[in-house]
Amino acid sequence: GAGVSQSPRYKVAKRGQDVALRCDPISGHVSLFWYQQALGQGPEFLTYFQNEAQLDKSGLPSDRFFAERPEGSVSTLKIQRTQQEDSAVYLCASSLARTGSYEQYFGPGTRLTVT
Amino acid sequence: SQKIEQNSEALNIQEGKTATLTCNYTNYSPAYLQWYRQDPGRGPVFLLLIRENEKEKRKERLKVTFDTTLKQSLFHITASQPADSATYLCALAHEGGGADGLTFGKGTHLIIQP
Repeated sequence: GAGVSQSPRYKVAKRGQDVALRCDPISGHVSLFWYQQALGQGPEFLTYFQNEAQLDKSGLPSDRFFAERPEGSVSTLKIQRTQQEDSAVYLCASSLARTGSYEQYFGPGTRLTVT
Repeated sequence: SQKIEQNSEALNIQEGKTATLTCNYTNYSPAYLQWYRQDPGRGPVFLLLIRENEKEKRKERLKVTFDTTLKQSLFHITASQPADSATYLCALAHEGGGADGLTFGKGTHLIIQP
């Protein structure tokens, strides 16, 4: 079956531009997570959805970051007025449930470069 | 603040030997500990999960231990192969009730020399 897909795989944005990153989770997965991974670092939690509800957005670094999952399936991470420090790989993961007892399935990520 | 430490240097192991990776944590009481493999340009792939009340878990050539007293997990790959070369990430999780995701370490880059 299909895994988690993300698009675009690569995105170059000029500083100040808005970007939208898309995630298609595994069908039937209730939980969806967004992570940010800087070069040489582990993924860092950004936000979490259970179906269409955004239950945790404590990891979003600023109010320029916004995520949605309106129908409980596809999710979009939007970054407004991009800054150079936003350059990173953005990973989406889905899971059957939110607890740590379930594995997370990751997409390939979107590499964002802000110039 | 919560801190997870993995071997920061790359680990070079001769093919056929056992590779042992370390994950130490502080200021954290995880209910679960997971290990993931990440190859360049790809997302992490789940390998093993161990619960706080489990001492050891095995899957084929992989073995994970979890010592909540030492606040440490060891990840072993026996009969290592060049195809095992990758970055291995340790991730901690609380019990349900919180919606937070996994907390990852920086990862250890493992190189298996033929």
